[in-house]
Amino acid sequence: QSVLNQPPSASGTPGQRVTISCSGSRSNVGSNYVYWYLQRPGTAPKVYMYRNSQRPSGVPDRFSGSKSGTSASLAISGLRSEDEAEYYCAAWDDSLNGVVFGGGTRLTVL
Amino acid sequence: QVLLQESGPGLVKPSETLSLTCSVSGGSISNYYWSWIRQPPGKGLEWIGYVYYNGNTKYSPSLKSRVTISVDTSKTQFSLKLSSVTAADTAVYYCARAGQDGPDFEFWGQGTLVSVSS
Repeated sequence: QSVLNQPPSASGTPGQRVTISCSGSRSNVGSNYVYWYLQRPGTAPKVYMYRNSQRPSGVPDRFSGSKSGTSASLAISGLRSEDEAEYYCAAWDDSLNGVVFGGGTRLTVL
Repeated sequence: QVLLQESGPGLVKPSETLSLTCSVSGGSISNYYWSWIRQPPGKGLEWIGYVYYNGNTKYSPSLKSRVTISVDTSKTQFSLKLSSVTAADTAVYYCARAGQDGPDFEFWGQGTLVSVSS
């Protein structure tokens, strides 16, 4: 059971917009930055969104992040086949005094 | 470009201690948090803990009693020791560099699979 809650799966067709949610509590998402990672099979995760809504260089502007209260979300517009991957959210948890991850969302492009 | 490379045994016997080292190149070890993260086969990511360049550490509460993370700035390396391992500790172990935010893992090693089996 992960501290941050994500849907196990999401899907969309090419060109669609998909949103992945990340639900936490006041001690993590509610009071700290949320990060999003993309992981492809057999490779290390890569940061795709930092500090809730900041996009690292090299990440397409089709990706956007937001946070409200104790929930955060990652939106992908103009879905492409190469977006198919596992997505994880992460945050610092003040109560646990450590980093917590979501369980991951497998995005499928139909 | 900062590069991280994990090294250590790929097979550990139950009840023994898992030991891994992460070698850092292409950047300073100072002013960053050097972390270990693991991923059991087919499962999600789990933060194990970190060591700051000055030796300060923080560990996951669920692993705290069995984990030691240390840093050797002269060798630009940091290490993980996990004692009393069981099959549940079988995972890909990643080392990563984080900044002040905590979960800002900008650079990762490629990961190394450690299996716990007799």
